[in-house]
Amino acid sequence: AQSVTQLDSHVSVSEGTPVLLRCNYSSSYSPSLFWYVQHPNKGLQLLLKYTSAATLVKGINGFEAEFKKSETSFHLTKPSAHMSDAAEYFCVVTGGTSYGKLTFGQGTILTVHP
Amino acid sequence: GAGVSQTPSNKVTEKGKYVELRCDPISGHTALYWYRQSLGQGPEFLIYFQGTGAADDSGLPNDRFFAVRPEGSVSTLKIQRTERGDSAVYLCASSFDKNYGYTFGSGTRLTVV
Repeated sequence: AQSVTQLDSHVSVSEGTPVLLRCNYSSSYSPSLFWYVQHPNKGLQLLLKYTSAATLVKGINGFEAEFKKSETSFHLTKPSAHMSDAAEYFCVVTGGTSYGKLTFGQGTILTVHP
Repeated sequence: GAGVSQTPSNKVTEKGKYVELRCDPISGHTALYWYRQSLGQGPEFLIYFQGTGAADDSGLPNDRFFAVRPEGSVSTLKIQRTERGDSAVYLCASSFDKNYGYTFGSGTRLTVV
């Protein structure tokens, strides 16, 4: 069984300040973890993925995430928010016998203020 | 094609009617997935195809839902006797290999009135 908990349903930051979107996961197997972004009326876009290689994963648009097995976390960060980062973000897990079946978190809506 | 294509982008139907939603994956992607995203929720898994066969259909909510992929490329999600609770965005994704990630289409927004 696998599950994902995104700890914040909404995060609001000012442009130019750091972004932190929190995600905890549960998996019976070594998981693969992803972050997807969804802009209004757009499809889901892959930001980054962790598949048991380096624990610090760099993605597109300056985002990165760190896999911490001891904390079962995969938080998404960005040093400096841009207005175009405003969107909904999903943390996703797959693995083991569920490989191929993505389990999504509930999503975090990121608002960026000028 | 360059991406995953889903048609129609919007579908409004009356309660009790039958609908078909189409997904055209990226050429060469052998794996195809259907998800359903209700308002304010994350996408939920419905069914996964590897080639022509359904490798995992454990997410289909009931027997009104059925999906096919007869030639291993295009897939059709079929919903019989639609109910208002079926209203959601239906997402399709494809992948060449699970380790390379999944490319999602823009979805079909289904509204049952």
